Amino acid sequence: EVQLVESGGGLVQPGGSLRLSCAASGFTVSSNYMTWVRQAPGKGLEWVSVIYSGGSTYYADSVKGRFTISRDNSKNTLYLQMNSLRAEDTAVYYCARANLDYHYGMDVWGQGTTVTVSS
Amino acid sequence: SYVLTQPPSVSVAPGKTARITCGKNNIGSKGVYWYQQKPGQAPVLVIYYDSDRPSGIPERFSGSNSGNTATLTISRVEAGDEADYYCQVWDSSSHHYVFGTGTKVTVL
Repeated sequence: EVQLVESGGGLVQPGGSLRLSCAASGFTVSSNYMTWVRQAPGKGLEWVSVIYSGGSTYYADSVKGRFTISRDNSKNTLYLQMNSLRAEDTAVYYCARANLDYHYGMDVWGQGTTVTVSS
Repeated sequence: SYVLTQPPSVSVAPGKTARITCGKNNIGSKGVYWYQQKPGQAPVLVIYYDSDRPSGIPERFSGSNSGNTATLTISRVEAGDEADYYCQVWDSSSHHYVFGTGTKVTVL
């Protein structure tokens, strides 16, 4: 079964750091475009970052320079390292696969992990 | 970056047709994707590349894209279609993904 399972969310103080993980099963992370999308409480979807199969990475302006997307091919896992966290980073974070078969539409999503930035 | 504008809400009676718009200057030149999100759940891709349906998505869901507006159409609306819907495009120059503001569909 094709599946994504996020972990690593939690409560962190402003200025702190957190690393989110997204374990994939049923497909290979490194062969796909993988994205992080977040949703603040009561708000809409906001794209955060993407890593292409070739390794190129891109970030939303709101997180550039603070967040880093990466993957561990041996663990078939995607990561999001979040530094210098702010209150406005509070959200549910989803990882998703952007599938070439669907013209890079995001066809598989994790269940989400909640990040709360508060003192 | 830019904004994809959607109506905040659309109300529709069961069995009728719901149309959700996504507006941006010259959006017709881009591929548009649509996602359905029910409360407490992750989004689900319902339309990709303007008008194609992923496997498992009912034919009642269709999409179109031309000029400055993309449209998601839900025919013969059912109670289970009540959800938030988001459009999305990919910007080739910045490699950024952009989501629309979202539309809450209420089935009367």
